[in-house]
Amino acid sequence: KAGVTQTPRYLIKTRGQQVTLSCSPISGHRSVSWYQQTPGQGLQFLFEYFSETQRNKGNFPGRFSGRQFSNSRSEMNVSTLELGDSALYLCASSVDLRGYEQYFGPGTRLTVT
Amino acid sequence: GDSVTQMEGPVTLSEEAFLTINCTYTATGYPSLFWYVQYPGEGLQLLLKATKADDKGSNKGFEATYRKETTSFHLEKGSVQVSDSAVYFCALRGSNFGNEKLTFGTGTRLTIIP
Repeated sequence: KAGVTQTPRYLIKTRGQQVTLSCSPISGHRSVSWYQQTPGQGLQFLFEYFSETQRNKGNFPGRFSGRQFSNSRSEMNVSTLELGDSALYLCASSVDLRGYEQYFGPGTRLTVT
Repeated sequence: GDSVTQMEGPVTLSEEAFLTINCTYTATGYPSLFWYVQYPGEGLQLLLKATKADDKGSNKGFEATYRKETTSFHLEKGSVQVSDSAVYFCALRGSNFGNEKLTFGTGTRLTIIP
């Protein structure tokens, strides 16, 4: 089976712009989660989707949003980018919710200048 | 809320040494516990898991036992190799409805010297 794929792998944006990141889960997985990884804050949970519904949300401002499509693919959007949004954004998929392990993609490295 | 406390790094060991990375957690209900590993420039890879008390997860010579009485999930390996150099994350996944997200520890950077 193909693993979790994320596009693009690298992105450079300017403050104030917006960005959309894409994630394709492992075939058959219905849950997709997003995480932000920075050297200072570590791995922080953004949100989780299951069957096109947002199930959980982390403590991020409303500039961060996401959605999941009927084929389980997911996108996250960040509007009005700030320098502090520079990070590695990781997507993970799992078969279902409770108890199931999550499998991670390689991440999208976002740099905001 | 749920939390994971992980042994601070960095940890440097010689090849073939014994490894322990401590991990303790706070959670309501009966979470599942995981160890993930991250190699430079890559995403996280699942190393092992345990879904209930006294379960032992194992993979590639690494082991960890879910200890509910001490709320711990320490990672061990009997003889480390240079290729084990990476950052290791302990994590839990909540079991309560609406709280199924993964909560991570801060990560422990492990360096193995030949």
